[in-house]
Amino acid sequence: GQNIDQPTEMTATEGAIVQINCTYQTSGFNGLFWYQQHAGEAPTFLSYNVLDGLEEKGRFSSFLSRSKGYSYLLLKELQMKDSASYLCAVMDSNYQLIWGAGTKLIIKP
Amino acid sequence: SQTIHQWPATLVQPVGSPLSLECTVEGTSNPNLYWYRQAAGRGLQLLFYSVGIGQISSEVPQNLSASRPQDRQFILSSKKLLLSDSGFYLCAWQGRLAGGHEQFFGPGTRLTVL
Repeated sequence: GQNIDQPTEMTATEGAIVQINCTYQTSGFNGLFWYQQHAGEAPTFLSYNVLDGLEEKGRFSSFLSRSKGYSYLLLKELQMKDSASYLCAVMDSNYQLIWGAGTKLIIKP
Repeated sequence: SQTIHQWPATLVQPVGSPLSLECTVEGTSNPNLYWYRQAAGRGLQLLFYSVGIGQISSEVPQNLSASRPQDRQFILSSKKLLLSDSGFYLCAWQGRLAGGHEQFFGPGTRLTVL
């Protein structure tokens, strides 16, 4: 079956760095996505990785290793507004997104 | 620029009542359209997707149905709601530009079935 695993919840301190991991097993691979979802709101797109390596976008970076079925989202200089759930999703061979359950990130002052 | 609308934002319905949720997209043509449901604290469950007018694929057997009467309109319906239909319903669109596989979500409809 297809499976996306990410931690349920993480806590970090304002100004610090946090890494949210995602491992996947899917039938085919056409890219990995990270989305941010604030409580009660819709997910918003953060990043897309299809090749191995690190993609940097401001304070957020996303890494992919296809051979390991592994990705992480790195958030630097954490701000209180970064408190949200972070969803990992993989596009399978049918170009459908398989979603993880999300990681709730709690930022403490 | 592209925008996606969903309505209503919240809905409280009794068990056994019908449902109609509407989603419209502006600023793009021939998008792929998706209906997802998200239970509290859970990931997104794909319900239906559509690659064109009148073309609907169902991912999960249920008492829901979907229709795409126009290129940029996607409707989710039910004849008789169940308690288990409660959740956060999200419509999303995906463009067909080369390399553009990301999906963009509407604001969602929070449905409570009592």
